[in-house]
Amino acid sequence: AQSVTQPDIHITVSEGASLELRCNYSYGATPYLFWYVQSPGQGLQLLLKYFSGDTLVQGIKGFEAEFKRSQSSFNLRKPSVHWSDAAEYFCAVGATGGFKTIFGAGTRLFVKA
Amino acid sequence: DGGITQSPKYLFRKEGQNVTLSCEQNLNHDAMYWYRQDPGQGLRLIYYSQIVNDFQKGDIAEGYSVSREKKESFPLTVTSAQKNPTAFYLCASRSPGQPQHFGDGTRLSIL
Repeated sequence: AQSVTQPDIHITVSEGASLELRCNYSYGATPYLFWYVQSPGQGLQLLLKYFSGDTLVQGIKGFEAEFKRSQSSFNLRKPSVHWSDAAEYFCAVGATGGFKTIFGAGTRLFVKA
Repeated sequence: DGGITQSPKYLFRKEGQNVTLSCEQNLNHDAMYWYRQDPGQGLRLIYYSQIVNDFQKGDIAEGYSVSREKKESFPLTVTSAQKNPTAFYLCASRSPGQPQHFGDGTRLSIL
């Protein structure tokens, strides 16, 4: 079965500290992988995507993610977190050529001063 | 600017009432989607449409209905059969092989 697991329901980091949000997926075919961010009461905004090629992808707002096929992981990282990064983050996987996207349950990020 | 417009932002439903959530996109995308979001449960797919005049049930379609008469529009009706409709509803669209774009959502509550 296709699934996406985000093991951490919430994470708290200090402003200026580094961040890593974990994502593991289960997918039979070659996946498309995405990270989205959602502020309260808003829709989802795409941070970055992986389709093929270089396994380290750069996104907006200083985020990056690394695809590790052997670990079925696509973890999101940022070297220095800003207070404005506090939000909920969703990892998602889709099929190449398919129409559905499977979303993880999300990780809420809290940033402390 | 191209994008997805959902309206209204807040909606209240009385017992036994049907309500319709609007979703319009000007991105020229063929595929459109409706998701329901509840705290701690991520996004659950209600219905999706790949082309005009065609749509498929998602994982939680019971109590909901949709139509796709125009490429730009994909309204969602929450019927009285949906016993727990309080949630945040998100509409999305995409081109083949590309990520989904999302609207800003509609929050539905029960009076």
